[in-house]
Amino acid sequence: GNSVTQMEGPVTLSEEAFLTINCTYTATGYPSLFWYVQYPGEGLQLLLKATKADDKGSNKGFEATYRKETTSFHLEKGSVQVSDSAVYFCALHPTGANSKLTFGKGITLSVRP
Amino acid sequence: NAGVTQTPKFRVLKTGQSMTLLCAQDMNHEYMYWYRQDPGMGLRLIHYSVGEGTTAKGEVPDGYNVSRLKKQNFLLGLESAAPSQTSVYFCASSYSYSGNTGELFFGEGSRLTVL
Repeated sequence: GNSVTQMEGPVTLSEEAFLTINCTYTATGYPSLFWYVQYPGEGLQLLLKATKADDKGSNKGFEATYRKETTSFHLEKGSVQVSDSAVYFCALHPTGANSKLTFGKGITLSVRP
Repeated sequence: NAGVTQTPKFRVLKTGQSMTLLCAQDMNHEYMYWYRQDPGMGLRLIHYSVGEGTTAKGEVPDGYNVSRLKKQNFLLGLESAAPSQTSVYFCASSYSYSGNTGELFFGEGSRLTVL
């Protein structure tokens, strides 16, 4: 079946530090990959996505590259801010009609001033 | 810009009581979903609907029922609440598959506590 594995958290960084959050997946075919973010007290919202191998999704200074050879979609940001403190979810969407998103467990990022 | 709206935002129930969570979306989306979020478990799909009048089971459907009588509304019911159903519930919606890239639009969540 399809699955998403995220690195264990939580992660605490100082402002302006470099961020990497690992995500690997298991799926048949060529799924689309996503990062969702959940700010405190809010629902999830799409951060970025990539729909085919070697695509790079980017938004708000965050980037992730779809690596089919390593089945990974790691999230990176060069300089985190306090406002980036949130829970980050990696997800995949398989190909095929009526497919549904599969989420990872999420990881909490705290950025201190 | 309402998007996806959930009511109520908070609720405390006693074991055995029943309640209904309402989700409404104003984006004319075909697909709607109910998830629960628990610490260390991520999001787990309870039930979903691919269109008005249709519902289907997700990963963790036991103890819940749903209805989609109108395209814009998706109701989640707990007939006899149990402490194990203490959770944060999220509703989400998405476009029909023909335009579906997997992007979901989420509500703000409903925090349910069962004593």
